[in-house]
Amino acid sequence: EVQLVQSGAEVKKPGESLKISCKGSGYSFTSHWIGWVRQMPGKGLEWMGIIYPGDSDTRYSPSFQGQVTISADKSISTAYLQWSSLKASDTAMYYCARVEYSSSYYFDYWGQGTLVTVSS
Amino acid sequence: EIVLTQSPGTLSLSPGERATLSCRASQSVSSSSLAWCQQKPGQAPRLLIYGASSRATGIPDRFSGSGSGTDFTLTISRLEPEDFAVYYCQQYGSSRTWTFGQGTKVEIK
Repeated sequence: EVQLVQSGAEVKKPGESLKISCKGSGYSFTSHWIGWVRQMPGKGLEWMGIIYPGDSDTRYSPSFQGQVTISADKSISTAYLQWSSLKASDTAMYYCARVEYSSSYYFDYWGQGTLVTVSS
Repeated sequence: EIVLTQSPGTLSLSPGERATLSCRASQSVSSSSLAWCQQKPGQAPRLLIYGASSRATGIPDRFSGSGSGTDFTLTISRLEPEDFAVYYCQQYGSSRTWTFGQGTKVEIK
């Protein structure tokens, strides 16, 4: 069974750093891209970026380029999303999702989400 | 950059009724690149439809997708109580980029 299990909720202060994780199981972790999606409170889904754990090839949405860093450790089947200096506007739910391919690419399995709260 | 516009913003219907949700792309896209997902309150999104019309594993056949070019539709033939949720279309663009529509909320009338 394919599973993506994300790290727990975080409460941080502005200016602090943070790294959240997404551990994949039940499939070949190095053979599928993993994406990150933001959902601000009461809002819709926003694609942030993706990584291919097999070679760490990474792509970012222009809206998030330079704001976050996506990485992966294939030895432990885990992808990461990190911030070097959080802002209050980073408060949101963050989801990881596996990319599948069938004539095109789509997100087929999703993690349960990690709630990040940034408040002074 | 392709923009996906979903309509209506909110759809108020009763159980047993038919729901028709629209997703319009700002320019023509490949049907294979269009997918739909469902999100219930407090839950992660769940894939419903990929390739515009293929149901994901375990999705009931009351859900169907159609369309081509710039206009795509998600139809729920007979609403069940568990179908009241928010629905998003998503599109895979070139060079590993994705776009989501703003969502349509299907609420109980």
